Order: sequence, then C-alpha cells, then structure tokens
Amino acid sequence: GAVVSQHPSRVICKSGTSVKIECRSLDFQATTMFWYRQFPKQSLMLMATSNEGSKATYEQGVEKDKFLINHASLTLSTLTVTSAHPEDSSFYICSASSAGGGTYEQYFGPGTRLTVT
Amino acid sequence: RKEVEQDPGPFNVPEGATVAFNCTYSNSASQSFFWYRQDCRKEPKLLMSVYSSGNEDGRFTAQLNRASQYISLLIRDSKLSDSATYLCVVNPGSNYQLIWGAGTKLIIKP
Repeated sequence: GAVVSQHPSRVICKSGTSVKIECRSLDFQATTMFWYRQFPKQSLMLMATSNEGSKATYEQGVEKDKFLINHASLTLSTLTVTSAHPEDSSFYICSASSAGGGTYEQYFGPGTRLTVT
Repeated sequence: RKEVEQDPGPFNVPEGATVAFNCTYSNSASQSFFWYRQDCRKEPKLLMSVYSSGNEDGRFTAQLNRASQYISLLIRDSKLSDSATYLCVVNPGSNYQLIWGAGTKLIIKP
C-alpha cells in the first residue's frame, strides 16, 4: 500500500515554456501533499504544502506565481513550473500523507527530473 | 544551527561491518522521527520510524535520545545493497511537515 505515482518521470523543455507535473496517490486518500526540489548532492528542499481543496502554503523564497500548485482531489496534486529557466532544472519530488494514524509518514513519488535548455 | 544535522560522510565501510549514524535536532518539542534511505537519483524511501523506546527491524536499530536531542541508526552485518544516503527526518510539531537532514552517505565496500 501507500503508492504514489508521478508523471512524467523525465522532461526536457525549452526556456520560457511551462511544464506540468502530476502526483497521484494510487491506493489511499492524501489529505496533504508536499512538493520538494532537490539539486545534485543537496538535501530535499520543501517548496510547498498543499491540502485538498485549499491554496498551497509556500516556503519562504519559493515564488507562488512561478510554481503553481493545484490539489484538486484527494488523489491528485499538480505542480506547474511556469516560464521555466535553466536554473529551474532539478529533481522535483512529491509526497503524500493521509490523515489518521498520527504517524506523519510521507510516501514519495518517484520524482520528475526536469531539464530546461 | 541547522534544525536537523547529520554528518555528510561518506562513510566507507567494509561489507559485514557494523556502522552507526547520529543525527541531532534543535527543536526539543519535536514529536516524530524517521530514517529514510535515498539511492542515487531516486526518491527517498522510509526505512523506519524511531520510537522513544527504540526499535529494531532486522539488521537495523534506531534509537531516540530526547534529553540530548539526537537519534541514531545502527546497521549490523552491512550489505553492499545498504550503500545509499540515509536521511534523518524530524516532525517538529503537530502537522505533517517534515524537516530533513542533508543525509549521510554510506558506501559499503566488498
């Protein structure tokens, strides 16, 4: 159980275009989803936290107008990188938590490797 | 001071040896603690939660020391497949947000 999928796994786009990344919880309802970014040889950096049906909460330094997050249902959250630039090239990972249990464990998607040329 | 600190390593350990990592956290009110494992260019995977009483899962043992604000991970009889980066993770309060350490890289050598 607790499977999270992410699509696409890899994307290459041109500078100035937008890219949408989908994160789905396949066998549980995710009340909260998280979006992380990881640069090479660095730790995960939380970008934003989203709860189903409400606006995402962004971490300091993360531009909400550039990284659009939509958590429309209990099984789907999307991250859109708008007007991507080469410095946005990174490994983007989503994770999901379900309410109840109180263990606060997060289950991760396999990640999306974004390369902006 | 970082909220969660780990020795980045790398730890180069011969196969079959025992290796231990520590991780310190700054928020004394932290409630939940985890060890995750991350392979190169992959997503993190939960290795084990860390309970106040300590817990063991096969070759892996996790301990929590609230007084000194650190958690530890012990790996016995290490295998080549244990090579990875081990991430110490802390939940600082009553929500789902996690604070991540930068990870300790472990390399098991044959």
